[in-house]
Amino acid sequence: AQSVTQLGSHVSVSEGALVLLRCNYSSSVPPYLFWYVQYPNQGLQLLLKYTTGATLVKGINGFEAEFKKSETSFHLTKPSAHMSDAAEYFCAVSVLGNNRLAFGKGNQVVVIP
Amino acid sequence: DAGVTQSPTHLIKTRGQQVTLRCSPISGHKSVSWYQQVLGQGPQFIFQYYEKEERGRGNFPDRFSARQFPNYSSELNVNALLLGDSALYLCASSWRDRSQETQYFGPGTRLLVL
Repeated sequence: AQSVTQLGSHVSVSEGALVLLRCNYSSSVPPYLFWYVQYPNQGLQLLLKYTTGATLVKGINGFEAEFKKSETSFHLTKPSAHMSDAAEYFCAVSVLGNNRLAFGKGNQVVVIP
Repeated sequence: DAGVTQSPTHLIKTRGQQVTLRCSPISGHKSVSWYQQVLGQGPQFIFQYYEKEERGRGNFPDRFSARQFPNYSSELNVNALLLGDSALYLCASSWRDRSQETQYFGPGTRLLVL
């Protein structure tokens, strides 16, 4: 069964510094991968997704992620953190044959002024 | 255009009671999925409906049930509530039920079971 692993539940980053959130997936077939963001007391908002084609995917709010099949990874990055990036971030993989999502445990990002 | 809407936003119930949560998908979307998000965890898949048919069920007990109506809105029912059912319940909609389709999430219903 497809699954994703996100290590480090809490991530602290200084304002203006690189944001790097790691996601590794387990899948016996080519996966479809997603990053979602959740602000306090809100639902999930899609940041970006990888389906096929270009392995470097650009999303909203300056985020991007690179699909690396050899490393089974889909890490999320943003060159310069902003205070508004403080939120919880979830990596997810869709299950083969339908679009049910299997989520990682999430990363709570804290931005330090 | 309106996004996914859910009602109610908050709910407090006692153990043993029953609850019904409602979801209206984005206009034109035919697939609705339900997820449970316990505090500090990622969402867990409960049900998926497409064109009013159940397309999948997660690892949840039979106390959980759902349905989708002709207008593609959906209800999630939970019977005999347990303390562990306290969670944020998220509804998501997509145009189809294909793997690459983006799911759009509603704001959720926060259920507290006392």
